[in-house]
Amino acid sequence: GAVVSQHPSWVICKSGTSVKIECRSLDFQATTMFWYRQFPKQSLMLMATSNEGSKATYEQGVEKDKFLINHASLTLSTLTVTSAHPEDSSFYICSATVGQGQYFGPGTRLLVL
Amino acid sequence: GENVEQHPSTLSVQEGDSAVIKCTYSDSASNYFPWYKQELGKGPQLIIDIRSNVGEKKDQRIAVTLNKTAKHFSLHITETQPEDSAVYFCAANPGSARQLTFGSGTQLTVLP
Repeated sequence: GAVVSQHPSWVICKSGTSVKIECRSLDFQATTMFWYRQFPKQSLMLMATSNEGSKATYEQGVEKDKFLINHASLTLSTLTVTSAHPEDSSFYICSATVGQGQYFGPGTRLLVL
Repeated sequence: GENVEQHPSTLSVQEGDSAVIKCTYSDSASNYFPWYKQELGKGPQLIIDIRSNVGEKKDQRIAVTLNKTAKHFSLHITETQPEDSAVYFCAANPGSARQLTFGSGTQLTVLP
């Protein structure tokens, strides 16, 4: 099946620093990738849709200047959390589409101290 | 937009019994309904999906049924095993955007 990887799997950073999370489709090309955020015991919340070669589309309430998304190739999308604060601590998950199917990465746990 | 409701929020079954999780959706344009299994600390894993031109789909111990008229679909797990314990999410795709709308999740616990 379609494999999606994320790096890093977990990161701890100080408040005010920026963190970059990579999402890769390993065995297929993905023109569209999605970024989600998930709080404990809750469902996935879509943050943005990332399209290769164009600007990301952000969901209402998601600050595009805080969560920078770049989709420079058909196999790589990155999410940068800029000037991270403790309230940004969460589980960030990306996904990539193959046809109508959507396949998720293993997630990145971010803890901002 | 699409709204997906999922029930129950928690479900405990004895090993070997069956488990059923139900979802309803609101947008009649939705035509793709995947189910995901999420283990603690991991990303969701696609376990089965169904398209709107099909009423039922099976894959070993897992089956999904779809009732387009009533706008609901269900996940059936037979002969449950402890390793089936996880959070299960249903989702619906309302069309060309390929975005998924997720249900709120069901914590399934299979008791040995």
